[in-house]
Amino acid sequence: GAVVSQHPSWVICKSGTSVKIECRSLDFQATTMFWYRQFPKQSLMLMATSNEGSKATYEQGVEKDKFLINHASLTLSTLTVTSAHPEDSSFYICSALPGGGRTEAFFGQGTRLTVV
Amino acid sequence: AQSVAQPEDQVNVAEGNPLTVKCTYSVSGNPYLFWYVQYPNRGLQFLLKYITGDNLVKGSYGFEAEFNKSQTSFHLKKPSALVSDSALYFCAVRDMTRGNKLTFGTGTQLKVEL
Repeated sequence: GAVVSQHPSWVICKSGTSVKIECRSLDFQATTMFWYRQFPKQSLMLMATSNEGSKATYEQGVEKDKFLINHASLTLSTLTVTSAHPEDSSFYICSALPGGGRTEAFFGQGTRLTVV
Repeated sequence: AQSVAQPEDQVNVAEGNPLTVKCTYSVSGNPYLFWYVQYPNRGLQFLLKYITGDNLVKGSYGFEAEFNKSQTSFHLKKPSALVSDSALYFCAVRDMTRGNKLTFGTGTQLKVEL
């Protein structure tokens, strides 16, 4: 149990276009999901915390108008990178917290975004 | 504020030898501590956690970790390393009094050689 599916695994897009990444908890409900960005050979940088039915909480320095997060249901959160630029190219990872007494978060497989 | 330090960027060990990946943490309250493993171009897989109770916790794939409150450490160990254990390992901490946010260390690349 506790599987998180992230889609797509990789995407290439042109500068100026928008890209949507989906994060789904397949066998549990997640009131809280997290979005991270990871640069090569570096740790995970938390971008935002997404709570079902409410606005996401963004970390300092993360542009909320550029990285739109929607947590429309207890099993789905989406990250939309708007007007993407080459510097947005990165590995994006989501995680979900099952709740119900479970303390560990489960991670999606990540999305490699390349903006050309 | 909470923080995690993984002092070694890389650890090399021969297959069959024991391995240790170090982690120290800092939180103002009581910590939840986690180890995750990441294979190339993949998300993170949960290995083990310490919440309360026995200081030695056992996890997936034969890994274990020892919580040491006085040294604020949570080192990951395995008695006999496998080549397939080669991956990037992250230690993470959550301050149980400050919500659900996880703070990760910088990661340690483990290389197990024949």
